[in-house]
Amino acid sequence: NAGVTQTPKFQVLKTGQSMTLQCAQDMNHNSMYWYRQDPGMGLRLIYYSASEGTTDKGEVPNGYNVSRLNKREFSLRLESAAPSQTSVYFCASRKTGASSYNEQFFGPGTRLTVL
Amino acid sequence: LAKTTQPISMDSYEGQEVNITCSHNNIATNDYITWYQQFPSQGPRFIIQGYKTKVTNEVASLFIPADRKSSTLSLPRVSLSDTAVYYCLVDSLDSNYQLIWGAGTKLIIKP
Repeated sequence: NAGVTQTPKFQVLKTGQSMTLQCAQDMNHNSMYWYRQDPGMGLRLIYYSASEGTTDKGEVPNGYNVSRLNKREFSLRLESAAPSQTSVYFCASRKTGASSYNEQFFGPGTRLTVL
Repeated sequence: LAKTTQPISMDSYEGQEVNITCSHNNIATNDYITWYQQFPSQGPRFIIQGYKTKVTNEVASLFIPADRKSSTLSLPRVSLSDTAVYYCLVDSLDSNYQLIWGAGTKLIIKP
């Protein structure tokens, strides 16, 4: 099993450009998450998806959109990139249910620089 | 929302036991406490999770007092490879799924 995969690993954008970060998991997890991590900081939740077909805002959703394409894939889109969105982006997934609080599995991250 | 507070950094030596404490004063009844480890340029990795009292696995122990307003991660006999950032996370399975991560504790293990 590959676990959680993310593409691309690195990306440089100019202000105003758009791009989509891809995430896929092969663990049959129902919940998926997108985080950003700025230098020296903890993770901040951008969006999450509790199940296929549903998405919800996290702590810092402004400037981002997401799509839960199917159970495996959860993409993050920047419509008009800004320098403030320079960060490392992590995707995570886990199995959740009515009474389970299971661990999140993280991808390797995408390092994004917006000039 | 249960915000967490941890020490920014800690130093220790190989072979010592390291205890990292996290405070989470506003923890709710249904919240769990989870600890993750993160190495540079990698995603966080799960260490341990608990609700109350003590939980132990092959790499760590987690102590949670009765009031659950704090928790302590204990790493026995640390080695240089335990140098990393450790995050305490209050996992809130409420309607907003607000996963609030603290700034983490940078642990440096010296020879």
